[in-house]
Amino acid sequence: TQLLEQSPQFLSIQEGENLTVYCNSSSVFSSLQWYRQEPGEGPVLLVTVVTGGEVKKLKRLTFQFGDARKDSSLHITAAQPGDTGLYLCAGAPQGGSEKLVFGKGTKLTVNP
Amino acid sequence: DTGVSQNPRHKITKRGQNVTFRCDPISEHNRLYWYRQTLGQGPEFLTYFQNEAQLEKSRLLSDRFSAERPKGSFSTLEIQRTEQGDSAMYLCASSPRTEANYGYTFGSGTRLTVV
Repeated sequence: TQLLEQSPQFLSIQEGENLTVYCNSSSVFSSLQWYRQEPGEGPVLLVTVVTGGEVKKLKRLTFQFGDARKDSSLHITAAQPGDTGLYLCAGAPQGGSEKLVFGKGTKLTVNP
Repeated sequence: DTGVSQNPRHKITKRGQNVTFRCDPISEHNRLYWYRQTLGQGPEFLTYFQNEAQLEKSRLLSDRFSAERPKGSFSTLEIQRTEQGDSAMYLCASSPRTEANYGYTFGSGTRLTVV
């Protein structure tokens, strides 16, 4: 079983602060995806990273895939209350697995 | 296209009753996935379809659970003789590609409460 560990589990910060959340595994993934989920809704895809060492930016969000393709990070600059939500990482296991494995998520609260 | 649609949004049922949920994927997507999410956890894989063929079922899916996707369009997930432990959010997702790299589009989910 390939597990994805996310940290921290909970994060509460003030508007304007920066933050980083992590997604780690002992297994290699062919890609990692990040989703954001709001209460009572399904997850929404933010980004997919495929190449080891890859960095992608989405406005104030920066995503990085580890060189060994076992870990990923999400950095948010100048967080806003609208960034509040559950951030989930999901991995496509190496070997062509056709389903995603999800971490437990980081619940982010950005206070005004 | 309005995205992935799930019905009902909420279902409260008594223990022992049967329930059925429906998922309408994005029309051109041939991959359809069912996941279950409990409080404080990430989504857990249940099963997936390629068109009308059910290609994999998780060991989480006991004999009380059955899923279908007739004609490769909408899908249904039925739970027979519900138990309190079945209370969860049931999520449906679809994808246009076979590679998991491509990413999923999720519906809003069906929240099941078994009392």
